[in-house]
Amino acid sequence: QKEVEQNSGPLSVPEGAIASLNCTYSDRVSQSFFWYRQYSGKSPELIMSIYSNGDKEDGRFTAQLNKASQYVSLLIRDSQPSDSATYLCAVKVQGAQKLVFGQGTRLTINP
Amino acid sequence: GAGVSQSPSNKVTEKGKDVELRCDPISGHTALYWYRQSLGQGLEFLIYFQGNSAPDKSGLPSDRFSAERTGGSVSTLTIQRTQQEDSAVYLCASSPDRQNEQFFGPGTRLTVL
Repeated sequence: QKEVEQNSGPLSVPEGAIASLNCTYSDRVSQSFFWYRQYSGKSPELIMSIYSNGDKEDGRFTAQLNKASQYVSLLIRDSQPSDSATYLCAVKVQGAQKLVFGQGTRLTINP
Repeated sequence: GAGVSQSPSNKVTEKGKDVELRCDPISGHTALYWYRQSLGQGLEFLIYFQGNSAPDKSGLPSDRFSAERTGGSVSTLTIQRTQQEDSAVYLCASSPDRQNEQFFGPGTRLTVL
């Protein structure tokens, strides 16, 4: 089992709808969780971090964490064509400094 | 403020040559990380620096790879005797301290012919 798993997609969502991206992780002592957006040919850009169970909202983005289920998600409201990118889930395990990344979900917002 | 910078942006080299990749972190960031991203492997960790020390080198794939950091700032990743499988985008990230978010530079695309 991979440490961090994401559906590779592609996920296609109409403009204005809610895009839902999911990520599961295997290490129960993981403590920090991050979502990065990566446009084609560019480097990852941090968009959300979440450290405790529940929801965290920032503009159109909401991150959700459920440590009991080892599940973290990202919701994008009012999706725009500019949201089309690959979204990477990253996890930091307690006691380690490195980030472990999922393979990424490719999201396409259709006008 | 200025973000993480990396140079060169692109590097083409011949198999067997040595290459040096440079990373200049965000000013004041004490933690620095190297990752690489390739089509088959996704984004994988290479090495972590806290100040000038490297407490975690577990991701370096072979002894052909080494890295150093001087003055708690600039870092250089060196790949000796490059192989075709070293072709990838090498990404540097920095963080204000080891607990916080990591911010990535633009990367160096390495192609080994």
